[in-house]
Amino acid sequence: DTGVSQDPRHKITKRGQNVTFRCDPISEHNRLYWYRQTLGQGPEFLTYFQNEAQLEKSRLLSDRFSAERPKGSFSTLEIQRTEQGDSAMYLCATGGLAGMNEQFFGPGTRLTVL
Amino acid sequence: KNEVEQSPQNLTAQEGEFITINCSYSVGISALHWLQQHPGGGIVSLFMLSSGKKKHGRLIATINIQEKHSSLHITASHPRDSAVYICAVRIGGNKLVFGAGTILRVKS
Repeated sequence: DTGVSQDPRHKITKRGQNVTFRCDPISEHNRLYWYRQTLGQGPEFLTYFQNEAQLEKSRLLSDRFSAERPKGSFSTLEIQRTEQGDSAMYLCATGGLAGMNEQFFGPGTRLTVL
Repeated sequence: KNEVEQSPQNLTAQEGEFITINCSYSVGISALHWLQQHPGGGIVSLFMLSSGKKKHGRLIATINIQEKHSSLHITASHPRDSAVYICAVRIGGNKLVFGAGTILRVKS
């Protein structure tokens, strides 16, 4: 257990539905990342927060995806109008102060879109 | 071509064997990470290095910045080492770019 938690661990939804995932970081960590991992591949970067500011977004993050970190603590990732191609593991990772660049990963949320 | 390439993609070893997993990258990096992922998804950071060599228990990681290459070695492998090993490089700020992973199975 790295101290990073994600909820839910598994989500099955029908195409076209909206889903929201939550990540709770290690409390003193100000950096938070979202990644997506499809079967047989390494994770791909989606977006990065430093405190409440979203500093970087991948072009993978289409307009159906939105991420927030309103108080600089937990973060949510919402996918609107889900498509079968959105089926993947969504991983959250957090990190501490700049210069201490290790990232601690949560257990992930596995999304299946039927 | 991916920015991070790992080899081999799959590796089966007998318990006790010395294992090497390789990682090559094509861009300038500020650090390289080796990660372990078990079935079910959880990822654990094994090493973060920017030069030289690090050792932790039976695991050794090396990096050659000039050749843009890193290796992860496992000595005296054990079935509990079976997992996916992922190489990731940090480019610029904080973003990680990941390899596809090496699936390791150690048989008893």
